Amino acid sequence: DQQVKQNSPSLSVQEGRISILNCDYTNSMFDYFLWYKKYPAEGPTFLISISSIKDKNEDGRFTVFLNKSAKHLSLHIVPSQPGDSAVYFCAARVRLYSGSARQLTFGSGTQLTVLP
Amino acid sequence: NAGVTQTPKFQVLKTGQSMTLQCAQDMNHNSMYWYRQDPGMGLRLIYYSASEGTTDKGEVPNGYNVSRLNKREFSLRLESAAPSQTSVYFCASSVGDRGANTGELFFGEGSRLTVL
Repeated sequence: DQQVKQNSPSLSVQEGRISILNCDYTNSMFDYFLWYKKYPAEGPTFLISISSIKDKNEDGRFTVFLNKSAKHLSLHIVPSQPGDSAVYFCAARVRLYSGSARQLTFGSGTQLTVLP
Repeated sequence: NAGVTQTPKFQVLKTGQSMTLQCAQDMNHNSMYWYRQDPGMGLRLIYYSASEGTTDKGEVPNGYNVSRLNKREFSLRLESAAPSQTSVYFCASSVGDRGANTGELFFGEGSRLTVL
């Protein structure tokens, strides 16, 4: 049972336009959400995060929106650039108990292709 | 500035053979993790170590063992490899549960394992 779902395996967008990547979750105990970006033959790298007490976080061209009532978050990239072409993973954290490692649960990823 | 280093990057095994994946981080992080990535499945946690001297099972621990050798090193062992363990393995580290942090993980470049 996947607690973090990315229902779109792929997305193509024209350069300069907005890219919107979506993520749904089922566990109400998640307290932090993160987006990672992965290029081929490399490890994932952290992109942006948002606390469950907020509904928006912005960092340059990247904005993450959180809708807790719908258990949905999205990553907006504006404007999209060819270098943004990568797999994007949504991840969520549950803090199990004090002193525990901060485990992340990942979605299956969305391949974004930005066309020149 | 190496970050998280994994070895080997590629390995081919026959069913029943054993091997150890090595991981080292130079960021003085407390927590370390092993994930596997499979098509359509995202990243799934195999084992993690919240701090030196402790290890715990993640989502998919069967067929694996781990050793937190010291604060820097966390190895993953396959005692008797099976074709179902063909995957890309990622080691990661995080600051851990000290102070305020988002649970951001720093990943290695991955180890591609094929079991025939």
